[in-house]
Amino acid sequence: DGGITQSPKYLFRKEGQNVTLSCEQNLNHDAMYWYRQDPGQGLRLIYYSQIVNDFQKGDIAEGYSVSREKKESFPLTVTSAQKNPTAFYLCASTPHTRPGDYGYTFGSGTRLTVV
Amino acid sequence: AQSVAQPEDQVNVAEGNPLTVKCTYSVSGNPYLFWYVQYPNRGLQFLLKYITGDNLVKGSYGFEAEFNKSQTSFHLKKPSALVSDSALYFCAVRALNSGNTPLVFGKGTRLSVIA
Repeated sequence: DGGITQSPKYLFRKEGQNVTLSCEQNLNHDAMYWYRQDPGQGLRLIYYSQIVNDFQKGDIAEGYSVSREKKESFPLTVTSAQKNPTAFYLCASTPHTRPGDYGYTFGSGTRLTVV
Repeated sequence: AQSVAQPEDQVNVAEGNPLTVKCTYSVSGNPYLFWYVQYPNRGLQFLLKYITGDNLVKGSYGFEAEFNKSQTSFHLKKPSALVSDSALYFCAVRALNSGNTPLVFGKGTRLSVIA
């Protein structure tokens, strides 16, 4: 079955440590997105990519980095510069061929906790 | 700029009663509108969308939403609530002619259906 796989489901980060969240899709979707979810704040856009080797900052990109070397993969690195990284992280994708007609397909999320 | 407002953080309804979850939006031009549902520690699942056409949109699990252009609203409704409908609901918007720019999400409304 086609879908988006996020791993790991739970992740613990020590102070000053970089961690990478994985997002893989087999839907042949062009565009991929990373959102951060905090209680009462909804979903906030971190980064998005509409094509391989290209990505754009979202509303809260500081302290995060991404890469898009393959169409199927869009990993998110939470760097030590992100001072409050504890949150639920969601990856999503959408076809690019008919812009706007489609909503997103979401992964199941990664819960990151600073210890 | 695009924005979405979900004015209620929490909606409580008795099982079997009709439910409404409110959403208002702001975009330049015509909107694409979406509703998603999220169960605990999971990604968002697509419920329904409005692009053009009939103002009453029917979606998954018996939900429907009514597009009202004059009131810039897209309220989610269901005639008879089930306990299993208890979840977090998100409204999202994107302008019709904005290419593949990201969806903007509301902060979410938690629906609690009481038996």
